[in-house]
Amino acid sequence: EDQVTQSPEALRLQEGESSSLNCSYTVSGLRGLFWYRQDPGKGPEFLFTLYSAGEEKEKERLKATLTKKESFLHITAPKPEDSATYLCAVLSGGYNKLIFGAGTRLAVHP
Amino acid sequence: EADIYQTPRYLVIGTGKKITLECSQTMGHDKMYWYQQDPGMELHLIHYSYGVNSTEKGDLSSESTVSRIRTEHFPLTLESARPSHTSQYLCATRVAGDYNEQFFGPGTRLTVL
Repeated sequence: EDQVTQSPEALRLQEGESSSLNCSYTVSGLRGLFWYRQDPGKGPEFLFTLYSAGEEKEKERLKATLTKKESFLHITAPKPEDSATYLCAVLSGGYNKLIFGAGTRLAVHP
Repeated sequence: EADIYQTPRYLVIGTGKKITLECSQTMGHDKMYWYQQDPGMELHLIHYSYGVNSTEKGDLSSESTVSRIRTEHFPLTLESARPSHTSQYLCATRVAGDYNEQFFGPGTRLTVL
């Protein structure tokens, strides 16, 4: 069964303290891994798509990487405005729908 | 940038009422989706459509129904709301093709008393 697990569930950082969020997945033929940011009371906002192991993408303080079993979202020198829930989702070969993890709630304090 | 509109944004309603949550998009995307999300939990797919007159049930059992009469419009209806329907409902669209991201609307927060 296709599955996505994100860790940690919640993460508290001081401003400037870099860290990484993890997304582990089990799918039958990965066709894409997606990272989203979700602010309270809003819909998810698309960040990155990764297609194959070894691929990396960057956007401002965020960098997403992908291996055959997991993806990492690295946050470098975070700011309070990076506080949000970060969602990971996969699109599998045998299942033409996105499967979401429960997300990591990130809080960055000044 | 995706233009997806959901109305109402917030709704508080009594048990037994019929409600329709609206979702519209201006991008001409064929694929549209409805998700249900409880606080701190995963998004669960409840309905999807690959085009006009095409609708399918998702993974999460839902007492709601949908229709797709026009490309830009994908409303979700609950014939008789219950407290167990209290949740956030998110609409999304995706262009055709394998490797394109989904764009989400702002969501509707539904509370059934």
